[in-house]
Amino acid sequence: DTVLTQSPALAVSPGERVSISCRASEGVNSYMHWYQQKPGQQPKLLIYKASNLASGVPARFSGSGSGTDFTLTIDPVEADDTATYFCQQSWNDPFTFGSGTKLEIK
Amino acid sequence: QVQLEESGPGLMQPSETLSLTCTVSGFSLTSNGVGWVRQPLGKGLVWMGTIWAGGSTNYNSAVQSRLSISRDTSKSQVFLKMNSLQPEDTGTYYCARQGLQWSFAYWGQGTLVTVSS
Repeated sequence: DTVLTQSPALAVSPGERVSISCRASEGVNSYMHWYQQKPGQQPKLLIYKASNLASGVPARFSGSGSGTDFTLTIDPVEADDTATYFCQQSWNDPFTFGSGTKLEIK
Repeated sequence: QVQLEESGPGLMQPSETLSLTCTVSGFSLTSNGVGWVRQPLGKGLVWMGTIWAGGSTNYNSAVQSRLSISRDTSKSQVFLKMNSLQPEDTGTYYCARQGLQWSFAYWGQGTLVTVSS
């Protein structure tokens, strides 16, 4: 299976820029997607196919990367962005998710 | 608008068979795939399987031998059945509509399943 590695946690102040990384154990082309999950809620799609903003998602969120290295950027960060962020690949079978990066807003 | 809602028993015994239903609205099952994703408490997400718009299915090999996904298009419902439950199957089960490039564009609120004797 394709393993997606994310750093476990980050802490930033409001107004700053934050980059959340996801590294795949094998190439996934551009078939990487990003989700935001707040406590007690279902995940929400933010970015699909590496860099495409999902409907209704603020332009503060952006994605980049291809192959094995991908980044989700939030600029500027707001207090409401406190959440866990997951990456997911859909190039290789089975679909897999990263373990998540917990973002704390100071 | 697009909505998905999971339903099923909250508590199961080991070795039993789990049956969950995902009732959808705002889209057609013959136009969009629906997948099931499990999340153990406080942990990450695991894709279990998907039933595609044409009715074919794909399963995660980790659970393939125990899992079956089917649907009733007339009722806009997708079903998950998984046998031989174990305590490690405990978690929140989500159904989600597949989106572009096989992302998961819309999610239900999830249903918690606890496997315990």
